[in-house]
Amino acid sequence: GESVGLHLPTLSVQEGDNSIINCAYSNSASDYFIWYKQESGKGPQFIIDIRSNMDKRQGQRVTVLLNKTVKHLSLQIAATQPGDSAVYFCAEQGGKLIFGQGTELSVKP
Amino acid sequence: KAGVTQTPRYLIKTRGQQVTLSCSPISGHRSVSWYQQTPGQGLQFLFEYFSETQRNKGNFPGRFSGRQFSNSRSEMNVSTLELGDSALYLCASSRQERSSYNSPLHFGNGTRLTVT
Repeated sequence: GESVGLHLPTLSVQEGDNSIINCAYSNSASDYFIWYKQESGKGPQFIIDIRSNMDKRQGQRVTVLLNKTVKHLSLQIAATQPGDSAVYFCAEQGGKLIFGQGTELSVKP
Repeated sequence: KAGVTQTPRYLIKTRGQQVTLSCSPISGHRSVSWYQQTPGQGLQFLFEYFSETQRNKGNFPGRFSGRQFSNSRSEMNVSTLELGDSALYLCASSRQERSSYNSPLHFGNGTRLTVT
Protein backbone atom coordinates (compact mmCIF):
# COMPACT_ATOMS: atom_id res chain seq x y z
CA GLY A 1 0.00 0.00 0.00
CA GLU A 2 0.99 3.64 -0.14
CA SER A 3 3.25 4.70 2.66
CA VAL A 4 5.69 7.21 3.86
CA GLY A 5 8.83 5.77 5.40
CA LEU A 6 12.01 6.90 7.04
CA HIS A 7 15.46 5.62 6.09
CA LEU A 8 16.95 5.69 9.59
CA PRO A 9 15.11 4.87 12.78
CA THR A 10 17.68 6.61 15.00
CA LEU A 11 20.13 9.44 14.53
CA SER A 12 22.74 10.58 17.03
CA VAL A 13 24.52 13.90 16.52
CA GLN A 14 26.87 16.13 18.45
CA GLU A 15 25.52 19.38 19.79
CA GLY A 16 26.25 22.14 17.31
CA ASP A 17 26.39 19.85 14.30
CA ASN A 18 23.82 19.85 11.53
CA SER A 19 21.24 17.04 11.41
CA ILE A 20 19.63 15.56 8.35
CA ILE A 21 16.57 13.36 8.64
CA ASN A 22 15.35 11.61 5.52
CA CYS A 23 12.00 10.35 4.38
CA ALA A 24 10.74 8.46 1.33
CA TYR A 25 7.19 8.55 0.09
CA SER A 26 5.43 6.41 -2.48
CA ASN A 27 2.34 8.38 -3.52
CA SER A 28 3.37 10.54 -6.48
CA ALA A 29 -0.01 12.31 -6.23
CA SER A 30 0.78 13.75 -2.79
CA ASP A 31 0.79 17.51 -2.96
CA TYR A 32 1.73 18.58 0.53
CA PHE A 33 4.34 17.42 3.01
CA ILE A 34 4.87 18.20 6.64
CA TRP A 35 7.48 17.57 9.29
CA TYR A 36 6.45 17.08 12.90
CA LYS A 37 8.51 16.85 16.09
CA GLN A 38 7.28 14.77 19.01
CA GLU A 39 8.84 15.09 22.43
CA SER A 40 8.28 12.51 25.11
CA GLY A 41 4.83 12.78 26.65
CA LYS A 42 3.58 15.28 24.10
CA GLY A 43 1.72 15.26 20.83
CA PRO A 44 3.42 15.93 17.48
CA GLN A 45 4.33 19.54 16.98
CA PHE A 46 4.28 21.16 13.54
CA ILE A 47 7.77 22.21 12.39
CA ILE A 48 7.62 23.09 8.72
CA ASP A 49 5.67 22.21 5.59
CA ILE A 50 6.20 22.34 1.86
CA ARG A 51 3.97 22.20 -1.17
CA SER A 52 4.72 19.93 -4.10
CA ASN A 53 5.38 22.92 -6.37
CA MET A 54 8.40 23.83 -4.26
CA ASP A 55 11.69 22.02 -3.77
CA LYS A 56 13.02 23.90 -0.76
CA ARG A 57 11.64 25.85 2.15
CA GLN A 58 13.45 27.37 5.07
CA GLY A 59 12.35 28.14 8.59
CA GLN A 60 14.19 29.06 11.72
CA ARG A 61 17.18 26.65 11.81
CA VAL A 62 15.25 24.15 9.73
CA THR A 63 15.12 23.51 6.00
CA VAL A 64 12.93 21.03 4.16
CA LEU A 65 13.99 19.72 0.78
CA LEU A 66 11.65 17.94 -1.59
CA ASN A 67 12.85 15.82 -4.51
CA LYS A 68 9.78 14.71 -6.44
CA THR A 69 11.83 12.81 -9.00
CA VAL A 70 12.92 10.25 -6.43
CA LYS A 71 10.04 10.88 -4.01
CA HIS A 72 12.31 11.94 -1.21
CA LEU A 73 11.92 14.47 1.56
CA SER A 74 14.51 15.65 4.06
CA LEU A 75 14.64 17.84 7.12
CA GLN A 76 17.83 19.68 7.90
CA ILE A 77 18.37 21.14 11.35
CA ALA A 78 21.22 23.60 11.67
CA ALA A 79 23.35 23.84 14.82
CA THR A 80 21.47 21.04 16.56
CA GLN A 81 20.71 21.67 20.21
CA PRO A 82 19.81 19.32 23.09
CA GLY A 83 16.25 20.64 22.89
CA ASP A 84 16.01 19.20 19.39
CA SER A 85 16.10 15.68 20.81
CA ALA A 86 12.80 14.11 19.84
CA VAL A 87 11.14 11.82 17.32
CA TYR A 88 10.65 13.43 13.93
CA PHE A 89 7.86 12.38 11.60
CA CYS A 90 7.31 13.21 7.99
CA ALA A 91 3.78 13.16 6.65
CA GLU A 92 2.25 13.38 3.21
CA GLN A 93 -1.13 14.67 2.21
CA GLY A 94 -2.55 12.87 -0.80
CA GLY A 95 -6.10 12.49 0.38
CA LYS A 96 -5.53 11.31 3.90
CA LEU A 97 -2.56 12.51 5.89
CA ILE A 98 -0.15 9.56 6.15
CA PHE A 99 2.70 9.54 8.65
CA GLY A 100 6.05 7.83 8.45
CA GLN A 101 7.31 5.67 11.29
CA GLY A 102 9.54 8.38 12.73
CA THR A 103 13.23 8.94 13.37
CA GLU A 104 14.56 9.46 16.87
CA LEU A 105 17.10 12.25 17.04
CA SER A 106 19.50 12.16 19.98
CA VAL A 107 21.77 15.15 20.59
CA LYS A 108 24.98 14.54 22.52
CA PRO A 109 26.29 17.47 24.58
CA LYS B 1 -4.40 31.15 21.60
CA ALA B 2 -5.16 27.87 23.37
CA GLY B 3 -4.00 24.70 21.66
CA VAL B 4 -5.84 21.46 21.13
CA THR B 5 -7.07 20.13 24.46
CA GLN B 6 -7.66 16.47 25.11
CA THR B 7 -9.25 14.93 28.18
CA PRO B 8 -8.62 12.86 30.11
CA ARG B 9 -4.84 12.72 29.96
CA TYR B 10 -4.64 9.15 31.25
CA LEU B 11 -7.22 6.39 31.41
CA ILE B 12 -7.16 2.81 32.63
CA LYS B 13 -9.95 0.46 31.59
CA THR B 14 -10.53 -3.27 31.63
CA ARG B 15 -11.31 -5.50 28.67
CA GLY B 16 -14.89 -5.34 27.53
CA GLN B 17 -15.53 -1.85 28.83
CA GLN B 18 -16.10 1.18 26.69
CA VAL B 19 -14.41 4.55 26.76
CA THR B 20 -15.09 8.07 25.53
CA LEU B 21 -12.30 10.53 24.80
CA SER B 22 -12.81 14.23 24.34
CA CYS B 23 -11.11 16.82 22.17
CA SER B 24 -11.48 20.59 21.99
CA PRO B 25 -9.90 22.02 18.83
CA ILE B 26 -8.14 25.33 18.45
CA SER B 27 -10.64 28.15 18.29
CA GLY B 28 -11.74 28.66 14.70
CA HIS B 29 -10.68 25.22 13.55
CA ARG B 30 -13.52 23.21 12.08
CA SER B 31 -11.72 19.99 11.20
CA VAL B 32 -10.86 17.41 13.83
CA SER B 33 -8.92 14.22 13.16
CA TRP B 34 -8.14 11.32 15.46
CA TYR B 35 -5.04 9.15 15.40
CA GLN B 36 -3.93 6.10 17.31
CA GLN B 37 -0.24 5.93 18.18
CA THR B 38 1.49 2.73 19.25
CA PRO B 39 5.19 1.81 19.27
CA GLY B 40 4.68 -0.93 16.71
CA GLN B 41 2.29 0.77 14.28
CA GLY B 42 3.19 4.42 14.63
CA LEU B 43 0.51 7.00 13.88
CA GLN B 44 -2.59 5.40 12.41
CA PHE B 45 -5.46 7.51 11.10
CA LEU B 46 -8.83 6.80 12.72
CA PHE B 47 -11.23 9.36 11.28
CA GLU B 48 -11.74 12.99 10.38
CA TYR B 49 -14.71 15.23 11.05
CA PHE B 50 -15.59 18.53 9.48
CA SER B 51 -18.75 20.51 10.19
CA GLU B 52 -20.15 17.63 12.23
CA THR B 53 -19.77 15.16 9.36
CA GLN B 54 -17.32 12.30 9.11
CA ARG B 55 -15.25 13.01 6.00
CA ASN B 56 -12.74 10.21 6.08
CA LYS B 57 -12.23 6.98 7.94
CA GLY B 58 -9.21 4.77 8.53
CA ASN B 59 -9.02 0.99 8.67
CA PHE B 60 -10.29 0.40 12.17
CA PRO B 61 -13.15 -1.85 13.28
CA GLY B 62 -16.59 -0.50 13.97
CA ARG B 63 -15.86 -0.53 17.71
CA PHE B 64 -14.15 2.79 17.06
CA SER B 65 -16.55 5.64 16.47
CA GLY B 66 -16.62 9.37 16.80
CA ARG B 67 -18.68 12.46 16.46
CA GLN B 68 -18.32 16.19 16.22
CA PHE B 69 -20.53 18.79 17.79
CA SER B 70 -21.68 22.13 16.43
CA ASN B 71 -18.94 23.92 18.38
CA SER B 72 -16.36 21.67 16.62
CA ARG B 73 -15.56 19.77 19.79
CA SER B 74 -15.20 16.06 19.13
CA GLU B 75 -15.45 12.80 20.98
CA MET B 76 -14.32 9.34 20.08
CA ASN B 77 -15.69 6.17 21.57
CA VAL B 78 -14.22 2.70 21.73
CA SER B 79 -16.56 -0.09 22.75
CA THR B 80 -15.75 -3.60 23.93
CA LEU B 81 -12.16 -2.69 24.69
CA GLU B 82 -9.39 -5.13 23.83
CA LEU B 83 -5.85 -5.27 25.18
CA GLY B 84 -4.57 -4.18 21.78
CA ASP B 85 -6.45 -0.90 22.08
CA SER B 86 -3.89 0.31 24.58
CA ALA B 87 -2.32 3.31 22.90
CA LEU B 88 -1.92 7.05 22.83
CA TYR B 89 -4.94 8.58 21.15
CA LEU B 90 -4.21 11.89 19.50
CA CYS B 91 -6.62 14.51 18.33
CA ALA B 92 -5.62 17.15 15.79
CA SER B 93 -7.41 20.13 14.37
CA SER B 94 -7.04 22.34 11.32
CA ARG B 95 -8.92 25.26 9.83
CA GLN B 96 -9.78 23.55 6.58
CA GLU B 97 -11.27 20.22 5.77
CA ARG B 98 -7.96 18.54 5.21
CA SER B 99 -4.47 19.38 6.24
CA SER B 100 -3.04 21.73 3.65
CA TYR B 101 -0.53 24.47 3.09
CA ASN B 102 -1.07 27.20 5.68
CA SER B 103 -3.59 24.96 7.39
CA PRO B 104 -1.59 22.08 8.86
CA LEU B 105 -2.81 19.75 11.59
CA HIS B 106 -2.18 20.85 15.15
CA PHE B 107 -2.11 18.06 17.69
CA GLY B 108 -3.09 17.81 21.31
CA ASN B 109 -0.96 15.92 23.82
CA GLY B 110 -3.16 12.88 23.64
CA THR B 111 -5.00 10.53 25.96
CA ARG B 112 -2.96 7.56 27.14
CA LEU B 113 -5.36 4.60 27.28
CA THR B 114 -4.31 1.42 29.05
CA VAL B 115 -6.53 -1.64 28.79
CA THR B 116 -5.96 -4.36 31.35
